[in-house]
Amino acid sequence: QVQLQQSGPGLVKPSQTLSLTCALSGDSVSSNSGAWNWIRWSPSRGLEWLGRTYYRSKWYNDYAASVKSRIIINADTSKNHFSLQLNSVTSEDTAVYYCASGWAFRHWGQGTLVIVSS
Amino acid sequence: DIVMTQSPDSLAVSLGERATINCKSSQSVFFSSNNKNSLAWFQVKPGQPPKLLIYGDSTRDSGVPDRFSGSESGTDFTLTISSLQAEDVAIYYCQQHYSVPITFGQGTRLEIK
Repeated sequence: QVQLQQSGPGLVKPSQTLSLTCALSGDSVSSNSGAWNWIRWSPSRGLEWLGRTYYRSKWYNDYAASVKSRIIINADTSKNHFSLQLNSVTSEDTAVYYCASGWAFRHWGQGTLVIVSS
Repeated sequence: DIVMTQSPDSLAVSLGERATINCKSSQSVFFSSNNKNSLAWFQVKPGQPPKLLIYGDSTRDSGVPDRFSGSESGTDFTLTISSLQAEDVAIYYCQQHYSVPITFGQGTRLEIK
């Protein structure tokens, strides 16, 4: 049974970097059939996919155009986790952030409310 | 980008009655390798992560009650709740994972009449 456990701060100052980690159990981040996503939800914008990382003999990343210049998603195989880094945040980045597995997002982390405020 | 458009934006249905939510994709999301549409439905409740209900446009995920069903006609997709229960109050989203960026519909808020 795949389980995802998120960690990271819930308050980030404007212009600083949002950093979250998703620890994986029941699967391996370097699985040749897995995909590891970050999504966010806000009342005004609904669900928004931010990007993913996956391994197929080498690591690949896909990112949403809206955050492409500010985002990094990477995996740490030694810790079996993957992480989100979003730079230069503004109030528009206030949302609940989720990690999720696979192509159809069967398994989700518990969510982290991130508020961007000074 | 593939645009997913849901209708209606909100819906109020009596307990025990049928609820129908529609989703239209701006282009085909049919994946010929598995002969399925790369279309999923999610249920979002306050304070909980989204829950996968339907994938491959019509396959219920494990543990999802059979009152939930999905159907398709080309680029038009439908989520049907056959007999609404109180616990079904939520926001429902369709999602395509045929191509990146993965995109969601704007959501349909379902309430009890």
